Amino acid sequence: DAGVIQSPRHEVTEMGQEVTLRCKPISGHNSLFWYRQTMMRGLELLIYFNNNVPIDDSGMPEDRFSAKMPNASFSTLKIQPSEPRDSAVYFCASSLIGLNTGELFFGEGSRLTVL
Amino acid sequence: TQLLEQSPQFLSIQEGENLTVYCNSSSVFSSLQWYRQEPGEGPVLLVTVVTGGEVKKLKRLTFQFGDARKDSSLHITAAQPGDTGLYLCSNQFYFGTGTSLTVIP
Repeated sequence: DAGVIQSPRHEVTEMGQEVTLRCKPISGHNSLFWYRQTMMRGLELLIYFNNNVPIDDSGMPEDRFSAKMPNASFSTLKIQPSEPRDSAVYFCASSLIGLNTGELFFGEGSRLTVL
Repeated sequence: TQLLEQSPQFLSIQEGENLTVYCNSSSVFSSLQWYRQEPGEGPVLLVTVVTGGEVKKLKRLTFQFGDARKDSSLHITAAQPGDTGLYLCSNQFYFGTGTSLTVIP
């Protein structure tokens, strides 16, 4: 079975450019999560969706970040405009909340470098 | 956000040694998860503990949930290079600061 699929795996961009990260969750999962991981701050929850509806976006750093989930099989995280401090690995995870312990299944991450 | 503090932050040991890493919080949890993350990959769930005082074993790994359900420990017996990675505790969707373990052959 396919796991969580993220793209791109690596992106290098210049400050001020728009960045769009994409995620396809595991089929049948009802919750999707976006995380950011850095050495300094660890693995931070940015936002999570349940049944395609944003439930908690309190971790989104600022208005430059936005996330959407137009359907159960696709989500995007957009940064506009990007800044060097946004450089990090961004992970998407999905889960079937409610019927199990809520195990999170992670993608391989998107490594973003903003110059 | 529920703060989960892990210690030590970094640990480097020789193959065959034993080690324990800790996860602490001031909050009481209904459950707690341990994940391992290898370089270039996302975290993968190792175990979930639910009951205060619970002990779970996964081969050479022993997980314990504190009686008050505020803390947990992970003990690895006879560490192997394959145990190298970042160990993260988690309460539902929030993760601890992590312990980066390196096992030297």
